[in-house]
Amino acid sequence: GNSVTQMEGPVTLSEEAFLTINCTYTATGYPSLFWYVQYPGEGLQLLLKATKADDKGSNKGFEATYRKETTSFHLEKGSVQVSDSAVYFCALPFSGSARQLTFGSGTQLTVLP
Amino acid sequence: GAVVSQHPSRVICKSGTSVKIECRSLDFQATTMFWYRQFPKKSLMLMATSNEGSKATYEQGVEKDKFLINHASLTLSTLTVTSAHPEDSSFYICSASTSGSADTQYFGPGTRLTVL
Repeated sequence: GNSVTQMEGPVTLSEEAFLTINCTYTATGYPSLFWYVQYPGEGLQLLLKATKADDKGSNKGFEATYRKETTSFHLEKGSVQVSDSAVYFCALPFSGSARQLTFGSGTQLTVLP
Repeated sequence: GAVVSQHPSRVICKSGTSVKIECRSLDFQATTMFWYRQFPKKSLMLMATSNEGSKATYEQGVEKDKFLINHASLTLSTLTVTSAHPEDSSFYICSASTSGSADTQYFGPGTRLTVL
């Protein structure tokens, strides 16, 4: 089945710093790829997604590009804010057209003022 | 947008008791709901897939008799942790899907279960 490997944290940055969280995947075909964010004490929220190779997902200043050559979907943001402090999960479907998602281990981001 | 609620948000119970967690899709019908368990500082682990009107499909290693799932309607699924023990303490998250793909999966806010 499909799997995802995510950069482990925790990551601590100062406000306005550049953020990269690495995510690489192993998959059959070219499934959709997702980044979810989990704020303290809350459930997951879809941050962005890309449905095919070379697509760029973006939301709230975050971006990730679906790169099939490197099987990667790294999350980036040019200038982080304190409010971005959360846990970020990379995810993709279990396999094929499965509805179930398999998640990376999560990366805790803390942004200091 | 699609909203999924969970109730309760937090529950503390004594060892040996049963706890029911509800997951509701508020403004859409969900043919499929998923139940995840999240350990502290860990990723989400899929426990089971719940389809309305049929038996849930459990992932390997998840005890069916321990974690009872009922998907009685297109907007409600329940997870009952039977005879709870301290090792069942965790964050339980449900999600609801509006279609047959992972692209349309919406997550609830989670339920923190603490078993004393």
